[in-house]
Amino acid sequence: NAGVTQTPKFQVLKTGQSMTLQCAQDMNHNSMYWYRQDPGMGLRLIYYSASEGTTDKGEVPNGYNVSRLNKREFSLRLESAAPSQTSVYFCASSGTGESIQYFGAGTRLSVL
Amino acid sequence: GNSVTQMEGPVTLSEEAFLTINCTYTATGYPSLFWYVQYPGEGLQLLLKATKADDKGSNKGFEATYRKETTSFHLEKGSVQVSDSAVYFCALSFNNDMRFGAGTRLTVKP
Repeated sequence: NAGVTQTPKFQVLKTGQSMTLQCAQDMNHNSMYWYRQDPGMGLRLIYYSASEGTTDKGEVPNGYNVSRLNKREFSLRLESAAPSQTSVYFCASSGTGESIQYFGAGTRLSVL
Repeated sequence: GNSVTQMEGPVTLSEEAFLTINCTYTATGYPSLFWYVQYPGEGLQLLLKATKADDKGSNKGFEATYRKETTSFHLEKGSVQVSDSAVYFCALSFNNDMRFGAGTRLTVKP
């Protein structure tokens, strides 16, 4: 009963390095999301994908890119990491017409 | 735009105390409302939801009622346990746009 799986769980980067956060869901959901969680600010949407092959910007997309590789997988890429991107990143998914989102356990990223 | 404002924490209670976490929302239409809970080191989990005015969501002893007249969705529990220690997020969803409050950290002491 995996649900939404994120890798890695922890990552430390130096400023300017790149990395990709991976997310996969096994619930056959069409919609997938990437959020960042910062203290006192709740969760903010970075990008989302309403279906395979489509992606759209959320509230805070700058500095990020995404790829909806197939129905199961939705990756988030930081091309040139900055200290302001230090955060906890969550992937989520939801079914068609379903407003409930199911979350992964998160990736804690530190950019030095 | 749509937004959620929830009570700032942290909140510290003794076991068996009554809990209220306030949540109010601003929305252009009639959103669905949610409470999510985040236990240490984990992602968010849905705790309860309500989809229309006067609906009451409930789960694990927690309750919240969708109040359109006061645009509120306050979370309550009559008797908290140590295991309820977590961060609680109020959220709304309207036209596939999900907005979260800042979260309220609850600590329950034995």
